[in-house]
Amino acid sequence: DGGITQSPKYLFRKEGQNVTLSCEQNLNHDAMYWYRQDPGQGLRLIYYSQIVNDFQKGDIAEGYSVSREKKESFPLTVTSAQKNPTAFYLCASNAIAGAKNIQYFGAGTRLSVL
Amino acid sequence: QQQVKQSPQSLIVQKGGISIINCAYENTAFDYFPWYQQFPGKGPALLIAIRPDVSEKKEGRFTISFNKSAKQFSLHIMDSQPGDSATYFCAARSSSNTGKLIFGQGTTLQVKP
Repeated sequence: DGGITQSPKYLFRKEGQNVTLSCEQNLNHDAMYWYRQDPGQGLRLIYYSQIVNDFQKGDIAEGYSVSREKKESFPLTVTSAQKNPTAFYLCASNAIAGAKNIQYFGAGTRLSVL
Repeated sequence: QQQVKQSPQSLIVQKGGISIINCAYENTAFDYFPWYQQFPGKGPALLIAIRPDVSEKKEGRFTISFNKSAKQFSLHIMDSQPGDSATYFCAARSSSNTGKLIFGQGTTLQVKP
């Protein structure tokens, strides 16, 4: 099956702990994105990457970090500096070439603080 | 300039009725306007999309109306069904080179049987 796989589905973070959310895609897409979703606030962009070994901050990058060592993988680390990490995190990807650039989303990871 | 404003925040419609969700934008450089549908606990999925050189696009019960001069676009769901109950997001593409999207705040639709 082609698509975007996010894991785990649920994640709990303790005080002062860093946690990493996984995002893998087998769509051969160039660009990948991380969004945070809070009730009533839509989708806010955390980081995005258009090519391996390169990424840019989105609107709410503070307290998060990413890497893009492989085209198919774009993990997100929620660091202890993120004081309000409880949210639904969504990973997305799209092909850069072509007119449509349709973004496809994973099923999300729900992060809660213990 | 980079914002997309969506309204209403929530909407309740009777089965068989018409659901209408509106979005407005400022940046005239936006070149692609998709709508996404999201069910609870799931990721958003592309529902329908339109380009600014088209005034209307219809796919089944879903229609996008686009007013370029007013910089507004809307989603109409005809004959709304309980299965349409979901959160809907409008979006605008800021660059065809990257596919980066700017999302509206979302509308939670409830269709009552």
